Amino acid sequence: SQQGEEDPQALSIQEGENATMNCSYKTSINNLQWYRQNSGRGLVHLILIRSNEREKHSGRLRVTLDTSKKSSSLLITASRAADTASYFCATGGRSSGSRLTFGEGTQLTVNP
Amino acid sequence: DAGVIQSPRHEVTEMGQEVTLRCKPISGHDYLFWYRQTMMRGLELLIYFNNNVPIDDSGMPEDRFSAKMPNASFSTLKIQPSEPRDSAVYFCASSPATTSGSTDTQYFGPGTRLTVL
Repeated sequence: SQQGEEDPQALSIQEGENATMNCSYKTSINNLQWYRQNSGRGLVHLILIRSNEREKHSGRLRVTLDTSKKSSSLLITASRAADTASYFCATGGRSSGSRLTFGEGTQLTVNP
Repeated sequence: DAGVIQSPRHEVTEMGQEVTLRCKPISGHDYLFWYRQTMMRGLELLIYFNNNVPIDDSGMPEDRFSAKMPNASFSTLKIQPSEPRDSAVYFCASSPATTSGSTDTQYFGPGTRLTVL
């Protein structure tokens, strides 16, 4: 079964609004990563947060990690139409070697 | 840097035929991963290599699938014989080793869309 589960499965917002996506996981992790996938393309790495970090920023992205709740959130501020894509969380586990386990993704649509 | 290169980008074949997917990782990356993505099952790790050696092939669906990495700049994923249920997008990704020897960020290729009729 998938380690990460994203919520919601789909999100539709207007340009300029903020978008928040959540990810829950089951086992201990070394790090949690977020990736974006535009339709018909490969995944692109957005941001990585380590298990000893609680919050991280990169441009309009803000990621939080709560290891006690085994959850993470990705916030995209001031969204743009170009942010329309699927967003996946991926966990690198303590016992999983170098493999990442991906969630099922959140489909974000930003309407102009 | 050209990024991860995959070929072909699209492949349409008939059931029973052999299919070979190719991947060139980013130069200097120690890890190479093969994934399969479908609507039903999402993104699944099939196999990954470290320094050309297969480390974990537990995701390979069955004996019809095989993967090789003869050198640091080339890997293949072969399906023989192919079946309609193999239709999916196959991604290759590569990653540099971290100071701890494991891997963090993965860099994905554009994928190969395989259709088996």
